Amino acid sequence: AQSVTQLDSQVPVFEEAPVELRCNYSSSVSVYLFWYVQYPNQGLQLLLKYLSGSTLVKGINGFEAEFNKSQTSFHLRKPSVHISDTAEYFCAVMSGSARQLTFGSGTQLTVLP
Amino acid sequence: TAGITQAPTSQILAAGRSMTLRCTQDMRHNAMYWYRQDLGLGLRLIHYSNTAGTTGKGEVPDGYSVSRANTDDFPLTLASAVPSQTSVYFCASSPAGATFYGYTFGSGTRLTVV
Repeated sequence: AQSVTQLDSQVPVFEEAPVELRCNYSSSVSVYLFWYVQYPNQGLQLLLKYLSGSTLVKGINGFEAEFNKSQTSFHLRKPSVHISDTAEYFCAVMSGSARQLTFGSGTQLTVLP
Repeated sequence: TAGITQAPTSQILAAGRSMTLRCTQDMRHNAMYWYRQDLGLGLRLIHYSNTAGTTGKGEVPDGYSVSRANTDDFPLTLASAVPSQTSVYFCASSPAGATFYGYTFGSGTRLTVV
């Protein structure tokens, strides 16, 4: 079975500061990993994904994530956040042959002026 | 614009009543999914369909049913709504193929059962 843990439910950060949103997963087989962003009253948008190859993945809006197999982590980072980055961020994993994503509980990122 | 259309956007429903949440996609994706989103719990899979004519149960299927008569439509039915089904419901889809690229999501249906 696969599962995802997002360690922080809320992350407040000041504008232009760096941020890291943490995600750990558990799976007995190889995985595909995703980060989605949800702006208020909207659906989820794909931010970035790791399928294979380079462990450092770059996504939209200046976000990047690093796949660390030994630590079973896929933390999301941005070197300098903007007010417009305020949103909820979800980490998700897919493993095995079933094309179903398992989501973490989400991290609310609030960027303060 | 290609994508997923969900209807209604929001609904208040009396307990015990039935309701069907509609989901239509125009991307010819094979697989479709229904998730519910609850505060602190993230998104949980209710039902899925890997291709037209087949459906499967997800993590929280009780109280819900689905059908997949064609590729484009994947309605979710609550036969007798209960307050614990108050949630935001998202429909999603993904294409077939050797590589999985993730989902495309609809904009959601906010359901309140009173």
